[in-house]
Amino acid sequence: GAVVSQHPSRVICKSGTSVKIECRSLDFQATTMFWYRQFPKKSLMLMATSNEGSKATYEQGVEKDKFLINHASLTLSTLTVTSAHPEDSSFYICSARNRSNYGYTFGSGTRLTVV
Amino acid sequence: GEDVEQSLFLSVREGDSSVINCTYTDSSSTYLYWYKQEPGAGLQLLTYIFSNMDMKQDQRLTVLLNKKDKHLSLRIADTQTGDSAIYFCAEKADSWGKLQFGAGTQVVVTP
Repeated sequence: GAVVSQHPSRVICKSGTSVKIECRSLDFQATTMFWYRQFPKKSLMLMATSNEGSKATYEQGVEKDKFLINHASLTLSTLTVTSAHPEDSSFYICSARNRSNYGYTFGSGTRLTVV
Repeated sequence: GEDVEQSLFLSVREGDSSVINCTYTDSSSTYLYWYKQEPGAGLQLLTYIFSNMDMKQDQRLTVLLNKKDKHLSLRIADTQTGDSAIYFCAEKADSWGKLQFGAGTQVVVTP
């Protein structure tokens, strides 16, 4: 079945540094990638939607200059958290939409801790 | 409030059936989904139902859809300890394919 590989699974970084999270679709073309943030014991909050080759569409309240999304190919999308602060600590999950079906495949998530 | 609502917690004994309920608001939703999330992991698609269906069964999972009441349920038969997780229902919210998630139901299976 469709698989999305998300890396890293866990990262600890210092305040002020940037962190890049990658999501790769391994056996299908991900025309659309969704990036979510999940707080403890909470639901997923959609941050942005990106289509291959286009600029990402950010949800209200999400800073596009802080959360840079690149979707340069049909198999790779990245989220870069720039100048990270402790309040950016969270669980980030990507989800890829397969152009050929209804399906959404989720990555395994990245636990970001900013110290 | 959220457009998709779920009860937050369910405790069930091993071997019993679990029923997780969900209500949604968008009557134009085309697909409704159930996802499972284990601690520290991403979301695993369990099953989905198209809006013109009333029921779908897949092994131990049965999904019921009541379009009139905008109510979706997931029944897990013969619940096992490995079924302990958070279960999210989601509706496809728009033509872009954005999913609207509920808050998740924590299912705890006790021996």
